[in-house]
This record gives sequence, structure tokens and C-alpha cells, in this order.
Amino acid sequence: EPEVTQTPSHQVTQMGQEVILRCVPISNHLYFYWYRQILGQKVEFLVSFYNNEISEKSEIFDDQFSVERPDGSNFTLKIRSTKLEDSAMYFCASSDTRAVQETQYFGPGTRLLVL
Amino acid sequence: DQQVKQNSPSLSVQEGRISILNCDYTNSMFDYFLWYKKYPAEGPTFLISISSIKDKNEDGRFTVFLNKSAKHLSLHIVPSQPGDSAVYFCAAKTSGTYKYIFGTGTRLKVLA
Repeated sequence: EPEVTQTPSHQVTQMGQEVILRCVPISNHLYFYWYRQILGQKVEFLVSFYNNEISEKSEIFDDQFSVERPDGSNFTLKIRSTKLEDSAMYFCASSDTRAVQETQYFGPGTRLLVL
Repeated sequence: DQQVKQNSPSLSVQEGRISILNCDYTNSMFDYFLWYKKYPAEGPTFLISISSIKDKNEDGRFTVFLNKSAKHLSLHIVPSQPGDSAVYFCAAKTSGTYKYIFGTGTRLKVLA
């Protein structure tokens, strides 16, 4: 069964450093998403991406964040200058269409720890 | 801004019995609802969904009920199995947006 994959599974970085989180969405999916879950809190939407453009973003997704689809398979989230409060689990998701009843399928997540 | 609430942080059920997980929402514009299951160190796994035009959807042991007037949905698992032990999240969206709004989750423990 096709699935979303993410690398790395864990990332430790120093405050102020840049990190890139990678995702390979399900191959025939066209819509891509990033969510995060701070420890003990709920899963929060960050951004959605379609046709090489951001289609929607939350207030969390400020100028330090960016997304890219550098090739036909990868989808990346870059955090330019990490802060302590960026420590969280980051989930990538993908869906086939943006229909109302379209389900987003999630990857296993990258646990980011900013020291 | 808690548009989706799961008021029970945890639930314990005996194996073979019914598990009922509840979710309330405040935004009447939500028109699609989902339940995800999450094991530790894994991503949310899709379980079942329901459109706002329906009041029930069933898939094997899982049934989701939607009460629009009460802005309430529930997930029933019958019979519960030890492998169902996980954190269950409800999520909701409106047709005008891509984003899912998640609840805080309910940790289900099914006792053998």
C-alpha cells in the first residue's frame, strides 16, 4: 500500500541553525501539506501546496518557514533560523484532490529538537 | 481557538466491549469530519470519515455518527481489541479550505 515517507525520523539542531525536513508524498497525489504537533498539544496545520505554489498557510507559517518541491518526488519544509519553540513533531501529508471528501494521508513524522 | 474539542483525554475499555470516543465542534461551516488513530512515534493513520450530508458511516468495526444540530460526532469501535489501544484524533474541515482542524486526542486503552 502506498504511503507517505519522511526523513529524517529525528533531527537535533542548535538554535539559529537551518533545517530541512523531507517528505516523499504518495506518488499520484497532487496536494501536499505540513502539520506540526508540539509535545502534548494538538496537531496544527502549517501549509498546503499545489502546483508549485502555496495554496494556504496558517499564522504559524511565518517568514522563517518555506516549502519546496525540488523534483518530482520530494516535498521539503525549510526552517531558516530555528527557535526553541520550533521543537515539535512535523508531519507531512498528501491527498489526491482537494475535493471536500478527500482524505489526507500522513507520514510517520520527523521529531525536531532545537537546543 | 478550540474549534474541535475532545473532552475526554483518556478512556479504558475491556476487550470485546464497545469503545465510544466523542468529539464536539463549534464551527457550523465544517462539512467533512475524520477520525485518525495514532500510535507513539508514528503519524496519524486515517480510520473513517463522514460528510455533513450523512449522519452515519460504517466500516467494519468502526462507525462514525454525526449529530449536526448538537455539533457532535462520535466514533464507535465494536468489538474493541487490544490493538485498538492508541490515541484517537477527530478532525474537521470546511470545503473552502485545505486545512484540517484537529482535536486534542483521546487515549484509548483496551484491556485484555
